[in-house]
Amino acid sequence: RKEVEQDPGPFNVPEGATVAFNCTYSNSASQSFFWYRQDCRKEPKLLMSVYSSGNEDGRFTAQLNRASQYISLLIRDSKLSDSATYLCVVRYTNAGKSTFGDGTTLTVKP
Amino acid sequence: DGGITQSPKYLFRKEGQNVTLSCEQNLNHDAMYWYRQDPGQGLRLIYYSQIVNDFQKGDIAEGYSVSREKKESFPLTVTSAQKNPTAFYLCASSIGDRSWTDTQYFGPGTRLTVL
Repeated sequence: RKEVEQDPGPFNVPEGATVAFNCTYSNSASQSFFWYRQDCRKEPKLLMSVYSSGNEDGRFTAQLNRASQYISLLIRDSKLSDSATYLCVVRYTNAGKSTFGDGTTLTVKP
Repeated sequence: DGGITQSPKYLFRKEGQNVTLSCEQNLNHDAMYWYRQDPGQGLRLIYYSQIVNDFQKGDIAEGYSVSREKKESFPLTVTSAQKNPTAFYLCASSIGDRSWTDTQYFGPGTRLTVL
């Protein structure tokens, strides 16, 4: 079993839809959680850090459930420009390194 | 302009050759990282360095080597011992304080193709 698992998708949704991605992690010592966005053939870019039980940034909401060991990303009112791969990242307590999920691909269609 | 630069953007190598990928940052970050990404997959950690003159193996270090002689620079050498080196290579850096907010920022990547 992978340390960080994501539903690979692809998720195909119409503009304006609400879509949610889940990410599960296996190490309960996990400390920090992040969502990155990666466009085709580009580098990952930080979308959100996830702290406490969750946080919100405009149309994006991230939630953390430590008891069930999962993180979710909710995108409301999807735009064409939201089409990308979304990577879940987990860092463990006092570790200098992070573990990336394989990503969930989203395509928003007109 | 602060950021992370990687060069070259595209690199072609013949089998049996060593090749070095450059990564430079001017963010004054202590920690630097090298990842490999294959099509349709996530990032896998090759090597990372928390401080100058020190580095640790990641999950897939075999066939790779690094050095960290300067804070700003973390070059990666792909040796002929790496069996399947064709991939997208990404360098990242972070403050490196291991706090929960310590965030990695990525360079634009180098695409290596072995001919």
